[in-house]
Amino acid sequence: DAGVTQSPTHLIKTRGQQVTLRCSPKSGHDTVSWYQQALGQGPQFIFQYYEEEERQRGNFPDRFSGHQFPNYSSELNVNALLLGDSALYLCASSLTLSVSDYGYTFGSGTRLTVV
Amino acid sequence: GENVEQHPSTLSVQEGDSAVIKCTYSDSASNYFPWYKQELGKGPQLIIDIRSNVGEKKDQRIAVTLNKTAKHFSLHITETQPEDSAVYFCAASSYTSYGKLTFGQGTILTVHP
Repeated sequence: DAGVTQSPTHLIKTRGQQVTLRCSPKSGHDTVSWYQQALGQGPQFIFQYYEEEERQRGNFPDRFSGHQFPNYSSELNVNALLLGDSALYLCASSLTLSVSDYGYTFGSGTRLTVV
Repeated sequence: GENVEQHPSTLSVQEGDSAVIKCTYSDSASNYFPWYKQELGKGPQLIIDIRSNVGEKKDQRIAVTLNKTAKHFSLHITETQPEDSAVYFCAASSYTSYGKLTFGQGTILTVHP
């Protein structure tokens, strides 16, 4: 049973560029959440998608946007990249909107480096 | 918003010893407290969780305790093994932000053979 799949695994972008990260949830999961994990820090919630709509959002600027497709896969887009956007971006999928019901399954992440 | 503090930031133990990691939270509405283990190059993996209606939960060598009055919860690992070496994160979620986890800063656990 495939878990959460993220692509690409590593990415280097130049300041000011735009980037798209992709996530396929675990089989049977329909809810996708995205987190940003800076080096040496805990993950920070960006937003959550369910039924192709953004359901909850963390304290991130509008440069961060997302999308969920009918097959439940998701994309995270970041515009006008800043050096501070360099981080590990984690995708987590779940069976329901509430994380306390069944917990999250995390992918291995995409390491984004902005130069 | 919710704030989760985690201590210590690093913990070094000998194989067979116990390890304890502590977290405090700020939001009284928090009702779900998971613990994640993150190994190098991997995403966080859920190892145990506890809900606000339970004071303690055990799973083999791992246990978690929750003190709602004091707003703190702890992870206890007994009979540590070298493969327990990793970064451990506590987290919290509330019934008002049910889809979101707020994580602590992490604890780097090193178990020496």
